[in-house]
Amino acid sequence: KQEVTQIPAALSVPEGENLVLNCSFTDSAIYNLQWFRQDPGKGLTSLLLIQSSQREQTSGRLNASLDKSSGRSTLYIAASQPGDSATYLCACPSGGYNKLIFGAGTRLAVHP
Amino acid sequence: EPEVTQTPSHQVTQMGQEVILRCVPISNHLYFYWYRQILGQKVEFLVSFYNNEISEKSEIFDDQFSVERPDGSNFTLKIRSTKLEDSAMYFCASSKEGTPGYNEQFFGPGTRLTVL
Repeated sequence: KQEVTQIPAALSVPEGENLVLNCSFTDSAIYNLQWFRQDPGKGLTSLLLIQSSQREQTSGRLNASLDKSSGRSTLYIAASQPGDSATYLCACPSGGYNKLIFGAGTRLAVHP
Repeated sequence: EPEVTQTPSHQVTQMGQEVILRCVPISNHLYFYWYRQILGQKVEFLVSFYNNEISEKSEIFDDQFSVERPDGSNFTLKIRSTKLEDSAMYFCASSKEGTPGYNEQFFGPGTRLTVL
């Protein structure tokens, strides 16, 4: 049974810092891993999908890495801005490839 | 940019009442999903739907729940007799592909269901 854990649970940083958010999963037989952003009371915005055959995926200031063998993924945010303040969730499939299992998220606050 | 839409944004109902939550997935997507998030908890999978039938469902998705694609654009979640513990944010999602590794799921803004 897939379990997803995210560390840290919360993070508060000054603007401009580079950040690393961590995600770990117990079942390494995954096809992909997806990172999402969730603003308070809002839906989930897909940030990056990284396939199991990839080691990294980049979108703007975001870079996600995936290490299946160790059951870990990281989301790197470069030059953080106050607008990056949100909860970041990682999710990966369990069993079949449709059902996403989510971590509890990392709540990020970037202050000016 | 195409997006998943959901209505209503907030639904308040009395315990025991039936509710229908509506979703319009992205138009060329073939796979549809419902998830829920109880306040302060993780997002949980409920059900996936493809080719007019359920492809997978969780333990949460019991006989009180049903899904339907009544026409070419809408996807609905019905709760027949709501309980207090059904209060949550319900998210609809869709994906274009079912191929493992390529099925990026796109989520709607959610419907907040409050059961009194």
